[in-house]
Amino acid sequence: EAGVAQSPRYKIIEKRQSVAFWCNPISGHATLYWYQQILGQGPKLLIQFQNNGVVDDSQLPKDRFSAERLKGVDSTLKIQPAKLEDSAVYLCASSRMVNGYTFGSGTRLTVV
Amino acid sequence: AQSVTQLDSQVPVFEEAPVELRCNYSSSVSVYLFWYVQYPNQGLQLLLKYLSGSTLVESINGFEAEFNKSQTSFHLRKPSVHISDTAEYFCAVSDNDKIIFGKGTRLHILP
Repeated sequence: EAGVAQSPRYKIIEKRQSVAFWCNPISGHATLYWYQQILGQGPKLLIQFQNNGVVDDSQLPKDRFSAERLKGVDSTLKIQPAKLEDSAVYLCASSRMVNGYTFGSGTRLTVV
Repeated sequence: AQSVTQLDSQVPVFEEAPVELRCNYSSSVSVYLFWYVQYPNQGLQLLLKYLSGSTLVESINGFEAEFNKSQTSFHLRKPSVHISDTAEYFCAVSDNDKIIFGKGTRLHILP
């Protein structure tokens, strides 16, 4: 089975610019998650989708971050405008059940 | 909400020595528990998980973890570490249908 695909692998942008990350989950996985992993810390959940609906976005900084999951498959996470503290690895994961998480390789964002 | 505490941010250990990475979680309510590993410049990989049944769970590369409900702990152990075990290890707990991670413990293998 193909894994969770994420792109781009790396991204460098200047502060105040915009950036978008893409995630393609494992086929058939209804639940999709975006995590932010700042260097030296554990992953922090930003948003959780069930099919194309948002289940939990309580830790998403909604003034600058947005995410969507059109048609309940692929998802896009956007940051507009970016700040220096947004430098992190953004991880996408998908699952059928909580005991079956699969993570993508992540997108490493550097904001300069 | 669930939370996870990994008290040690770094653990140095000599090669072939035993190691224990500590993890405590916040609630004794029925939970799923996980250890994930992140090798340098790689993504997160599931190392092992406890869902139910036997409280001792093992991974294919010699790690094991024991679920202790009374102490709300899920410590990770290996009797003899190898240089290839150098990585960041994350303990995690389920909270409804999402996973909450600890801050991680960096395992540093000394030659």
